[in-house]
Amino acid sequence: AQKITQTQPGMFVQEKEAVTLDCTYDTSDQSYGLFWYKQPSSGEMIFLIYQGSYDEQNATEGRYSLNFQKARKSANLVISASQLGDSAMYFCAMRGRVGSNFGNEKLTFGTGTRLTIIP
Amino acid sequence: DTGVSQDPRHKITKRGQNVTFRCDPISEHNRLYWYRQTLGQGPEFLTYFQNEAQLEKSRLLSDRFSAERPKGSFSTLEIQRTEQGDSAMYLCASSLGEDSHYSNQPQHFGDGTRLSIL
Repeated sequence: AQKITQTQPGMFVQEKEAVTLDCTYDTSDQSYGLFWYKQPSSGEMIFLIYQGSYDEQNATEGRYSLNFQKARKSANLVISASQLGDSAMYFCAMRGRVGSNFGNEKLTFGTGTRLTIIP
Repeated sequence: DTGVSQDPRHKITKRGQNVTFRCDPISEHNRLYWYRQTLGQGPEFLTYFQNEAQLEKSRLLSDRFSAERPKGSFSTLEIQRTEQGDSAMYLCASSLGEDSHYSNQPQHFGDGTRLSIL
């Protein structure tokens, strides 16, 4: 079974500062993927960044980077130069196998972190 | 660029009624997923289709729930005899992946259908 833990229910950050959102995971699979999604108050889930378990370099996408520490089973999201529009719920998710058939997969989500950017 | 489309956005119904939701995935995506999200929680997996075949179902999907994906395009999720506990946001996602291979492609989500049971 896979498990995602996000220990920060809420965070307040000053505009233009960097912010780190924590995520730890647990899995017995050798191959897995880690994703971060943003969910604004309007409800849609927006994909931000992906890290594969065998990727040697940390993923980056614009202002988003993923601090992947495999031995510690952590995949923290770093947002640089935060903006007011970054205020939202952020979910860490892990792609893992579902059922017994190879290739059948699902995402397991954490409980999320509500990020509020202060002007 | 059309993303994942879900209809309706909101559904209010009385306990005991049947409801049906529709999801139109991104056109070239062969994989389709349904998730349920309750207040203050992350989405939970319900079921997974590869093309028209429903390959996995969560234990959360009781026998009152049924999902279909005829012809491997749009999907419907029906809930029969709705209960108070069915109130949630129902999210559909789609992705592209080869058969029998895990994918590094992200699942793209629709805006969801918010179900309220009176």
